[in-house]
Amino acid sequence: KNQVEQSPQSLIILEGKNCTLQCNYTVSPFSNLRWYKQDTGRGPVSLTIMTFSENTKSNGRYTATLDADTKQSSLHITASQLSDSASYICVVRDNFNKFYFGSGTKLNVKP
Amino acid sequence: AAGVIQSPRHLIKEKRETATLKCYPIPRHDTVYWYQQGPGQDPQFLISFYEKMQSDKGSIPDRFSAQQFSDYHSELNMSSLELGDSALYFCASSLGLGQGAHGYTFGSGTRLTVV
Repeated sequence: KNQVEQSPQSLIILEGKNCTLQCNYTVSPFSNLRWYKQDTGRGPVSLTIMTFSENTKSNGRYTATLDADTKQSSLHITASQLSDSASYICVVRDNFNKFYFGSGTKLNVKP
Repeated sequence: AAGVIQSPRHLIKEKRETATLKCYPIPRHDTVYWYQQGPGQDPQFLISFYEKMQSDKGSIPDRFSAQQFSDYHSELNMSSLELGDSALYFCASSLGLGQGAHGYTFGSGTRLTVV
């Protein structure tokens, strides 16, 4: 069964600290993986998109990694800011253009 | 565990007709999001509601409207349907504020075909 699982479910960190969010998937055949940032009640903002051949991709303070062999991805946030408080959703696309959504990790950055 | 329920699963309409899609969120979830995924395209965010009020608006056409009701279910109303409206429409729900589960849960979608 194709699934996307994210951990942790929620996370609280202090401003300025780093954190890493995890996404494990069983989707096959794999096409790409995206990380979205979504504030409550608002539309998602795409952070990164990674294909099979990409291991690491950065977008400012966000760095995503992908291990296609183990079917794991991570999103690392460096020097967190209060504005990073949001939910981060991992979405995996298969080769049939079907999307599988993780349940998200809710990050709360405290001053 | 209860999931996000979308109805109908499939819908076929003719051009210029209207359609109403329904989304029933996870119990206690107060936030609902609508997405549209056209053939061969990525899902596009349409609109979201928090506590029965529109909280964000994406690429939703003026021919579409949506609302969230007192029981937190949401309906997406689509008028003057066009062939290009044929797509898979996803709904997701989450708990906006407070403690407890904050995860997003996506429904399996309603596939709309306009002929």
